Amino acid sequence: DTGVSQDPRHKITKRGQNVTFRCDPISEHNRLYWYRQTLGQGPEFLTYFQNEAQLEKSRLLSDRFSAERPKGSFSTLEIQRTEQGDSAMYLCASSSREGMQETQYFGPGTRLLVL
Amino acid sequence: ILNVEQSPQSLHVQEGDSTNFTCSFPSSNFYALHWYRWETAKSPEALFVMTLNGDEKKKGRISATLNTKEGYSYLYIKGSQPEDSATYLCALSDTGRRALTFGSGTRLQVQP
Repeated sequence: DTGVSQDPRHKITKRGQNVTFRCDPISEHNRLYWYRQTLGQGPEFLTYFQNEAQLEKSRLLSDRFSAERPKGSFSTLEIQRTEQGDSAMYLCASSSREGMQETQYFGPGTRLLVL
Repeated sequence: ILNVEQSPQSLHVQEGDSTNFTCSFPSSNFYALHWYRWETAKSPEALFVMTLNGDEKKKGRISATLNTKEGYSYLYIKGSQPEDSATYLCALSDTGRRALTFGSGTRLQVQP
């Protein structure tokens, strides 16, 4: 399968612990996005990379959140000192330059539960 | 802050029924409108990207239309099948930004 992959698929952690999620985009895609989805809502944008450069961050991305994309390949999203409000589905997407009709391809997500 | 609204929130139909959903969005700064289908435990699947007023796209039994002047898009499913059961999301990208702004989705259940 050459789609976007995410690891782990599920994570249960205790409040105050740090967690890290990984996203492997489609290999030729230079853009990578992180979104968060909570129950009953659509995905909300967190941050976006073009190659290794982080070009945009949402105000939702508090100081406890950090994302990296070393060498413009895979990306990691780390949440420090997790809170119960961080419980959500974390989705990664990738895309490549396709003019006006750029499509973002999503991975299956990492479901985080903070106890 | 963009406000993308979808209706209805949920829909239960019988196999063979045709159905449609609405996505409303602010028409200023419009760049593109995306439709996704998201089945439980799977990745959201891209259905359509539409950019031009009056665009119509079709994929099998699913089709979509776009009106950028009045700020809405319709998604139609003809002859719904149980495998169409999913959450259908629309998302807007506006000029100058790559991030998508999603609606809350329409959850469709098709009963055999």
